[in-house]
Amino acid sequence: RKEVEQDPGPFNVPEGATVAFNCTYSNSASQSFFWYRQDCRKEPKLLMSVYSSGNEDGRFTAQLNRASQYISLLIRDSKLSDSATYLCVVVHYNQGGKLIFGQGTELSVKP
Amino acid sequence: DADVTQTPRNRITKTGKRIMLECSQTKGHDRMYWYRQDPGLGLRLIYYSFDVKDINKGEISDGYSVSRQAQAKFSLSLESAIPNQTALYFCATSDTSGRAVNEQFFGPGTRLTVL
Repeated sequence: RKEVEQDPGPFNVPEGATVAFNCTYSNSASQSFFWYRQDCRKEPKLLMSVYSSGNEDGRFTAQLNRASQYISLLIRDSKLSDSATYLCVVVHYNQGGKLIFGQGTELSVKP
Repeated sequence: DADVTQTPRNRITKTGKRIMLECSQTKGHDRMYWYRQDPGLGLRLIYYSFDVKDINKGEISDGYSVSRQAQAKFSLSLESAIPNQTALYFCATSDTSGRAVNEQFFGPGTRLTVL
């Protein structure tokens, strides 16, 4: 079983839709959580950190459920420019703070 | 100018050849990483270095070696390339700045094809 697993994609949604991505992690010692965004054939870039209390950044909302070892990303009012692959990332400091990436979920927003 | 650069950006080589991928950064970060990305598998860590004298194996280090020539430079070598090393390779950097882990900044990637 992979340490970080994401919803299989791709997600194809119309502009303006709300879309949610899910991610589960297997190591209960995981201590930090992030969502990265990767455009086609480009490098990943940090989208947002995920905090225990949940956090919002504009149209993006991230949530963490430690008991269920589950992370989510909600995108409201999808834009064409949101089309990308979204990578779930966990870190546990007892492994030197390395980032463990999920395989990514592809989102395609259509006009 | 980009903060994290990788050379070459694309490379096609043959089985058995030695290949070096180079990474340079101007961010002043102490930590550097090498990942490979394969379709459906996400990014997997090959090697990482927390400073010039500290180099560690990652998840998939077999068949690879690294050299941290300076704080700003971290190179990845494939001593004898094989076709299943065909992948997209990313270098990344981060610093601690009082936190255990900070955002990682990635280079633009090197697309390597081994025939």
